[in-house]
Amino acid sequence: GIQVEQSPPDLILQEGANSTLRCNFSDSVNNLQWFHQNPWGQLINLFYIPSGTKQNGRLSATTVATERYSLLYISSSQTTDSGVYFCAVDLNDYKLSFGAGTTVTVRA
Amino acid sequence: DGGITQSPKYLFRKEGQNVTLSCEQNLNHDAMYWYRQDPGQGLRLIYYSQIVNDFQKGDIAEGYSVSREKKESFPLTVTSAQKNPTAFYLCASSKQGRGEQYFGPGTRLTVT
Repeated sequence: GIQVEQSPPDLILQEGANSTLRCNFSDSVNNLQWFHQNPWGQLINLFYIPSGTKQNGRLSATTVATERYSLLYISSSQTTDSGVYFCAVDLNDYKLSFGAGTTVTVRA
Repeated sequence: DGGITQSPKYLFRKEGQNVTLSCEQNLNHDAMYWYRQDPGQGLRLIYYSQIVNDFQKGDIAEGYSVSREKKESFPLTVTSAQKNPTAFYLCASSKQGRGEQYFGPGTRLTVT
């Protein structure tokens, strides 16, 4: 099956700092989503981005499908950005394959 | 409000008992999914359904069963055959297969 690798596994930031999370995948994909899992376990949709660049407030994402990677940018981080960020891809078979996640801790 | 609801939030069962987790959506989505998450890991697909009265196994379907009698509902039964049922279970839906998936709040199941 498709391999999804996220880096770094853990990230500690000071409030106000910027950061970049990376997602590499092993095959061409139809769908790529970024999620934020909050401390209660809820998965929040951040981006649906099989290719190109999107921005939503302090977050932005870029997927370069031909090179099989996606980047999630967090600017001016806040303590509420803490949690686990997941990248998930859909190869061609109606299911999302998830990476292991990046745990982000933002300190005040 | 449109969304996906899962109940209960926490569920405790004794080993050997079957248990059914509820998932309801009012987004008018055709496709629904069940995932399992173990501590410190990503999600893995258990079952999915693209239309009513049809469903397919995911990567880890053994010990689970589902039904899809209504568009809005996709209950998951964790049977006594599931060897390690303690986990966080998340339900999702999408407008169509391969579309953007949206998740419910999850059910934490503990089996002792």
